[in-house]
This record gives sequence, C-alpha cells and structure tokens, in this order.
Amino acid sequence: AQKVTQAQTENSVVEKEDVTLDCVYETRDTTYYLFWYKQPPSGELVFLIRRNSFDEQNEISGRYSWNFQKSTSSFNFTITASQVVDSAVYFCALSDDSSASKIIFGSGTRLSIRP
Amino acid sequence: GAGVSQTPSNKVTEKGKYVELRCDPISGHTALYWYRQSLGQGPEFLIYFQGTGAADDSGLPNDRFFAVRPEGSVSTLKIQRTERGDSAVYLCASSADPRGEQYFGPGTRLTVT
Repeated sequence: AQKVTQAQTENSVVEKEDVTLDCVYETRDTTYYLFWYKQPPSGELVFLIRRNSFDEQNEISGRYSWNFQKSTSSFNFTITASQVVDSAVYFCALSDDSSASKIIFGSGTRLSIRP
Repeated sequence: GAGVSQTPSNKVTEKGKYVELRCDPISGHTALYWYRQSLGQGPEFLIYFQGTGAADDSGLPNDRFFAVRPEGSVSTLKIQRTERGDSAVYLCASSADPRGEQYFGPGTRLTVT
C-alpha cells in the first residue's frame, strides 16, 4: 500500500533561518514518483518538484533543495534563508507506476516564518 | 496562459440537495483529476479522466458522487443527496499527460448545512 508520512504537523522558525521538512513514504513499486507541493494561505496548491525513483541526485532550485534517500524512504525538503513569504502548508506526495496518475498526499506540514 | 479554473468558488447547500461543481482545465491538457481536501488534511484523490473517459474512479467515496467530462475538456463533479460529511474543498487539477505535473485550480469550498 502507498503511504506518505509527514510527522511534523507544524514548524516555526525565525526569518533567515534554514528549515527542513521531513517526508517518509511507503510503496511496493520499484518505479514511483515523489512530489512536493506548497499551499499558501490563498489555498491554491503550487507544484514545486517531481522526482522519479531512479534519480537519487539531490536537487537545488534557488533557496529550495531536496534530499532523496531511497535507503530510508525519505524525501526531505530544505528551505535556506527562509522568508516570511515561505509561510504555507507543504505537502509531500507519491504516485507509483501502477497508478501513475493518482497522487497520494501526506497530511502536510504548516510552516510559519516569523519576522 | 490561463490556469485551471473552478466554479463556483464557494457553495453552500442544504443536506439532501444536489450540487454540481465545474472545472475548466488548462487548454490542451488531456488529463483531468478531482481531489477532495478536508480541513487540516492533504488532498484525497477522487477520480481521473484521460480524454472523455474516467480512467480511474477508485477514489469516489460512494455512488452519490459522479463526474463527467463529455467533450474531453470541462468536467463536472456531481454530488447527489449531499451530507454534512461532504463539506470540504474540492480541487481540480490537469496535466498535459497522465504522468505529467498536475496543476491545481483554486478549489470549490462546499459547505453542507
């Protein structure tokens, strides 16, 4: 069965600090895709990244970086030098090869960046 | 270009009534998805269309829920005999192909009183 666990329901840091959001996933498939989405207070989900299971290279995009560790089934997300505008709920998600179009979301981490 | 749009943005209805929620995908996107998001939870998959046909409806909770996409573009999610437990934000997403990135609309907040 597929499952995504975001153990941190909330996280709060002071602006300019780095923050890491944890994500652990479960799937029986060898081919799968991992995602991160951002949901700001406006409510609209914003796509951040998709990685496939064969690409374990870490990715950096500006202040965002992602660490994919197959050995621990984790796909953690780090924001460097956080800003108030980063405040949002962040969702980690998974789809596998048998149902590639169905995305299973975690319950989200509410991130607050304090000025 | 224009993103995914959903109407209405808010819908309040009485228990037992019928509602329709509309989704306009990004132009040219063949795949369309419906999700439901309850307060404090992540989105939950309902149904996926490839073109006009429902390729996966395994997430529909029961037979009160039905969705159509007759011309392969706009989709309507229909809920019969609404219950208070149906209250949630209903999200629509589209993608250029079934394994592509899904782009989400702003959602319809449904409240059943």
